[in-house]
Amino acid sequence: DSGVTQTPKHLITATGQRVTLRCSPRSGDLSVYWYQQSLDQGLQFLIQYYNGEERAKGNILERFSAQQFPDLHSELNLSSLELGDSALYFCASSLGGAGGYTFGSGTRLTVV
Amino acid sequence: KNEVEQSPQNLTAQEGEFITINCSYSVGISALHWLQQHPGGGIVSLFMLSSGKKKHGRLIATINIQEKHSSLHITASHPRDSAVYICASLSVNYGGSQGNLIFGKGTKLSVKP
Repeated sequence: DSGVTQTPKHLITATGQRVTLRCSPRSGDLSVYWYQQSLDQGLQFLIQYYNGEERAKGNILERFSAQQFPDLHSELNLSSLELGDSALYFCASSLGGAGGYTFGSGTRLTVV
Repeated sequence: KNEVEQSPQNLTAQEGEFITINCSYSVGISALHWLQQHPGGGIVSLFMLSSGKKKHGRLIATINIQEKHSSLHITASHPRDSAVYICASLSVNYGGSQGNLIFGKGTKLSVKP
C-alpha cells in the first residue's frame, strides 16, 4: 500500500455518462496530482491541487474538472464521456520541497 | 516546453546482464524521477535525483545536469525486473509545492531466464 488510495479500481460506463474518481493522498501530503495514461498518449499531466487550491493545469479537457476538499482528498469528474477517454487515471501526492512523489494504484476507466 | 526522451523503447536482456536505460530532457528541471510500472499497471517511484548518483540494491541512477541527461542501470538483471521503466522530469518548484511530472514514453524491459 503506497498510502495513496484511489477508488474505484475499475469503472465501465457508457458514452455520454459522467463519472467521479476519488483520491485520498498519503497522510501529510498537501499536493494532489491527476495523470492520465492512454495507449496512444502515454502518461500526461491533467491537474494539480495544493492545500485546496488549483496550482497547475496540464492537458485537461473542458469536460473534465477536479477539486480538492478541506480534508485534502480530491475528486476528478469526467463528463460527456467518449470512447477516447478510456484510460488509466492515476492520482499522486507529494508533501513538497524535496519530498518524494507517491502514486496511487490507478482507476481503469473503460467507456463503451 | 520540456520534452523528455527515453531510449531504447524496448529492451530484451538475458538474466544476469547489465542494463542501461537513457533519458534526456530539454529544459532546466528541479529533479528527475525514475519510475517502474509493472503489467498490473501500478507505478512505483524508484529514484528522485537532482544531482549525482543514487543506488538502491541492484539499481543505480545517475544524472548530469549540465548535459540534461540521466541513466538508469540495473546490475545482474533478473526476470522480476521485467517492467516498463519511465523517466519523468519534475518541473521547477513554486509556492512551496512540487511541480508536475513530464514523462518519457517508457522503456519496456524484458529479462529472459
